Amino acid sequence: KAGVTQTPRYLIKTRGQQVTLSCSPISGHRSVSWYQQTPGQGLQFLFEYFSETQRNKGNFPGRFSGRQFSNSRSEMNVSTLELGDSALYLCASSRQGEVEQYFGPGTRLTVT
Amino acid sequence: QQQVKQSPQSLIVQKGGISIINCAYENTAFDYFPWYQQFPGKGPALLIAIRPDVSEKKEGRFTISFNKSAKQFSLHIMDSQPGDSATYFCAANPGGYQKVTFGTGTKLQVIP
Repeated sequence: KAGVTQTPRYLIKTRGQQVTLSCSPISGHRSVSWYQQTPGQGLQFLFEYFSETQRNKGNFPGRFSGRQFSNSRSEMNVSTLELGDSALYLCASSRQGEVEQYFGPGTRLTVT
Repeated sequence: QQQVKQSPQSLIVQKGGISIINCAYENTAFDYFPWYQQFPGKGPALLIAIRPDVSEKKEGRFTISFNKSAKQFSLHIMDSQPGDSATYFCAANPGGYQKVTFGTGTKLQVIP
C-alpha cells in the first residue's frame, strides 16, 4: 500500500511569490492535515481537511490556505511568501474516525 | 503557548542502554498521546501511542508510561541500538480532533 506522497519534494521561491504544495493521502484515508516544521518553532499544526471541508485550523495567518478535493487529495497555498516561511511542510493522513496519522516525506520550501 | 513540554533536547546513550524521554502537558482535553520517530530527510513515523485510561503500554523495545494526575508521560527505549538514533517527538490530541500539538523533539544518539 502506497504511503502519503507529497510534491514537489523541494522548492525554492522568492519573497513575495506564492506557492502551492500537493499531498496525496493513503488510499482510503479521508482526513488530511498539514504541519509546518522549522528548527525554531518545531512542528506546528496548520489545518485539517475532511470530506473537502476544513475541520480544524492552527494559529497561522490567512496567507496560509488549503483545500481538499473529492478524491481526498489536498493542496496548501502560501501567498506573499516571507523569509520566515522557509520550512519543511508535512502532510499527514488518517482514516475516518481514527486518530493515528501517517506522515508524508514533506516538501522543503526555501524562500530567498 | 507551548502546551507539550519535552525533555531532554538531546540524549546520548550507549548501545544496549535505556533511553528515556519525558513530556508534560497542560491541556486536560488531550486524550491521545502518540510518539513519533523522525529520521533526517523523512517525515515523522508513528511509533507508539497511549490513551489516558492506561498507565503503561509496551510494544517491543518501546514503552510509554503515563501519569494522568501529574499530566506527564514518557517514552522508554530498552536495549537501545544505533539504528534508534533519530529525533523523537511526543504529541497530544484533544478528543475527536486531529489538531495535534507536538513537543519540541529529542535528538537521540546511540553510540556503539
